[in-house]
Amino acid sequence: NAGVTQTPKFQVLKTGQSMTLQCAQDMNHNSMYWYRQDPGMGLRLIYYSASEGTTDKGEVPNGYNVSRLNKREFSLRLESAAPSQTSVYFCASSERTGITTDTQYFGPGTRLTVL
Amino acid sequence: AQSVTQLGSHVSVSEGALVLLRCNYSSSVPPYLFWYVQYPNQGLQLLLKYTSAATLVKGINGFEAEFKKSETSFHLTKPSAHMSDAAEYFCAVSPTPLVFGKGTRLSVIA
Repeated sequence: NAGVTQTPKFQVLKTGQSMTLQCAQDMNHNSMYWYRQDPGMGLRLIYYSASEGTTDKGEVPNGYNVSRLNKREFSLRLESAAPSQTSVYFCASSERTGITTDTQYFGPGTRLTVL
Repeated sequence: AQSVTQLGSHVSVSEGALVLLRCNYSSSVPPYLFWYVQYPNQGLQLLLKYTSAATLVKGINGFEAEFKKSETSFHLTKPSAHMSDAAEYFCAVSPTPLVFGKGTRLSVIA
C-alpha cells in the first residue's frame, strides 16, 4: 500500500515549456486535490476532484489544468510554465466525497523550478 | 468563508519545554479543525482533528489540542518537546477542501 505517489520528484523547466505532474493513490479514495506550497504562504488549493469525473477550481487555478483520468489518478498540467509557478506541488486524497471530517493523505511532493 | 490564522511563523523551544502553537479560526458554521505536520522534505501528515465529539483532542506523538469556541481557537500543545518534533505545523479548517493556515516552523534547541 503505497498511499499517494507523485512523479516526478524534481523538475526544472524553462519559461514557456509545458509539463504534467502525475499523482496516483491506491486507497480507493473518491476525492483528490492539488496544492502548491510557497514560503510563508502555506498550502493553497489549485484544483480538486470531489469524485471521478468531476473537477473544480480552487484558490489559485490560473495557469493550470487538471485531468481526473480514473479513480486512482489525478494529473496537473502546466501548459506554458512561468517563473511564478516555481513551487512545491502536493497531491492529496480523501476517502469520501463531501465529508468534511475526512483526513487528507498527502504525497511526497514535486519540487518544480521554472527558469 | 472559513479561514485560519496561525500566530507566529517560527517558534523556538528548548528540548523538554512546553510546545504551544497557536491557531485561531473564522467560520460561519460549526467548524471541523485539523493539525497537520510536515517534516523536512516530506508531505503533510495528520496529527489530530476536531470533529465535535470532544473538545480536547489527543493526537500522535504526544500532541493534543483544545477546541475553544468562545475564543475561536484550536491551539496545539505538547508538554515536553523532543528534537524529533522539529517540523512545520499547519492548522486547517473545513469544509472540504480544507483551508490551511500559513504554517508555524518549530525549532527545538538541545
